[in-house]
Amino acid sequence: EVQLLASGGDLMQPGGSLRLSCAASGFTFTTYAMTWARQTPENGLEWVAAISGAGDRTYYADSVKGRFTISRDNSKNTQSLQMNSLTVEDTGVYYCAMWREGSHDYFDYWGQGTLVTVSS
Amino acid sequence: DLVMTQSPLSLPVTLGQPASISCRPSQRLVSRDENTYVSWFQQRPGQSPRRLIYRVSNRDSGVPDRFSGSGSGTDFTLKISRVEAEDIGIYYCMRGGILPPLFGQGTKLEIK
Repeated sequence: EVQLLASGGDLMQPGGSLRLSCAASGFTFTTYAMTWARQTPENGLEWVAAISGAGDRTYYADSVKGRFTISRDNSKNTQSLQMNSLTVEDTGVYYCAMWREGSHDYFDYWGQGTLVTVSS
Repeated sequence: DLVMTQSPLSLPVTLGQPASISCRPSQRLVSRDENTYVSWFQQRPGQSPRRLIYRVSNRDSGVPDRFSGSGSGTDFTLKISRVEAEDIGIYYCMRGGILPPLFGQGTKLEIK
């Protein structure tokens, strides 16, 4: 059974940093690109970042480029999202998700979310 | 910029009756491989999204056959032939094919 367990969400002040993690199991990790998406009352569902199965290619939404960094550890079946220079607009539920490497259908499976709140 | 517009935003339905949700991209969707990458997702209350349909009309594994997708160009539709209580939630369309994926604003399916 596929499992994606996200963690690390917290209440943060603007300008702060936070690291989200996602532990994966139940599938061959390296054959899937991993991704983060978020859900906010204002913008609904929004894709944030993605990383290839080998970890050699990363992609970011314009809204987070230069502030967020996605990474993965294929020896531990985990992915992470380092979030810097947080703003109130980054508030939302962050989902860990995945899609088969090379697929353009995206979001084959979503894990549970973790809540990030940015507020002064 | 491309926008995925869903309608209606709220859809009250009677159990056992059909339901239909529309998704209209602001421009015709094109991709390099000639596939049309429109997906539909279901988000039940308190749960994460789950993909139901990919590439317009392909049902994901385990998705009941009362769900169907259709469309082309700038007009796509998700249909539920007979709504069941477990279908309550928010439905999103999404343009895939190229990053960034773009979601519609969601349609809330609720029981009358």
